[in-house]
Amino acid sequence: DAGVTQSPTHLIKTRGQHVTLRCSPISGHKSVSWYQQVLGQGPQFIFQYYEKEERGRGNFPDRFSARQFPNYSSELNVNALLLGDSALYLCASNLQGYNEQFFGPGTRLTVL
Amino acid sequence: DAKTTQPPSMDCAEGRAANLPCNHSTISGNEYVYWYRQIHSQGPQYIIHGLKNNETNEMASLIITEDRKSSTLILPHATLRDTAVYYCIVRVDQGAQKLVFGQGTRLTINP
Repeated sequence: DAGVTQSPTHLIKTRGQHVTLRCSPISGHKSVSWYQQVLGQGPQFIFQYYEKEERGRGNFPDRFSARQFPNYSSELNVNALLLGDSALYLCASNLQGYNEQFFGPGTRLTVL
Repeated sequence: DAKTTQPPSMDCAEGRAANLPCNHSTISGNEYVYWYRQIHSQGPQYIIHGLKNNETNEMASLIITEDRKSSTLILPHATLRDTAVYYCIVRVDQGAQKLVFGQGTRLTINP
């Protein structure tokens, strides 16, 4: 079975641009979470979605938004990119009611 | 979620048991202890979790002290592939699914 997949694997943007990152959860998983991992730090929670509804939000500015589609895949959007947004963006999925989260390989975003 | 404290780094010889400590002195009664690890350039991987009893699976064992203020993750026969950053996380087992990661312990397995 395929695990959590994310695209693209790497991305380079310039300040002020916007970016869309994509995530496909494990088949049957309806919950998707997004994390940001800055170099040298642990992952930081951004959003959680379940059944297309936002169920949790971390301490990130409104430039960050996300949505979940009927097939449970998800997009993370970041507007007005800043240099500090350079990070590894991780997506995780899990079965609701089960707390083991399965992480994808991440998208490495570099903002120049 | 309660805060956890882990040593920043540890070394272990290949084939020996690796024992990774975690302090969570402010843990509350309904909070579980979770362990994840992150191998370089990969997403975190779930290892094990427990409430108050010791737990064992195919990857590791989790020993939680009786007062639940600390725990130890044990990798019984460490291999080079176990070199990773190990995160101890304390969280309630309900509600939003967010995981609060600290700095973790960078475990290096030496040949």
